[in-house]
Amino acid sequence: AQSVTQLDSHVSVSEGTPVLLRCNYSSSYSPSLFWYVQHPNKGLQLLLKYTSAATLVKGINGFEAEFKKSETSFHLTKPSAHMSDAAEYFCVVSRSASKIIFGSGTRLSIRP
Amino acid sequence: KAGVTQTPRYLIKTRGQQVTLSCSPISGHRSVSWYQQTPGQGLQFLFEYFSETQRNKGNFPGRFSGRQFSNSRSEMNVSTLELGDSALYLCASSLVAGDSTDTQYFGPGTRLTVL
Repeated sequence: AQSVTQLDSHVSVSEGTPVLLRCNYSSSYSPSLFWYVQHPNKGLQLLLKYTSAATLVKGINGFEAEFKKSETSFHLTKPSAHMSDAAEYFCVVSRSASKIIFGSGTRLSIRP
Repeated sequence: KAGVTQTPRYLIKTRGQQVTLSCSPISGHRSVSWYQQTPGQGLQFLFEYFSETQRNKGNFPGRFSGRQFSNSRSEMNVSTLELGDSALYLCASSLVAGDSTDTQYFGPGTRLTVL
């Protein structure tokens, strides 16, 4: 069985400060892990994915995530938040399209 | 390369009606999946199509159905609409099916409101 838990439903940071969005997963096999971002009234856009290659994954717009097997975590980070980063972020664990589990989402707010 | 397109973007229907949503995948992608997104349930898998065949189906009633055409375009149909069907319906395409490493690319969604 697999599951994914996003530990924070809402994160608020000031512009220019670091972002940390936390995700823990559970999987009985080696998972593929993804982070997607969804801006209001938009579809999901892929930020980055982990597929058992390098544990530190770099994505678009300065985001990166580190796969830590011992902690079963795949936290998303960005060194410096920008106003345009305000959106909903989803952590995803996948075995296939039909066996894809979405986290409940973390809403990121950016304070000027 | 053009992304996943979904039509219409917004739809308002009344209870008991039926609705058809359309999805055109990225050129060359043969797998299309559908998801329902609601504030209460989050993102839930509806079904997946590959080469005109439904490969997998989520836990939704038979009122939800779909199909895929030879050009990989897909439609989903919801019959006898209920208020609870109000949601954002997202379509995603990928190169192949059943590959956990394959990336799904999402369309902008169709916002369905049932009155």
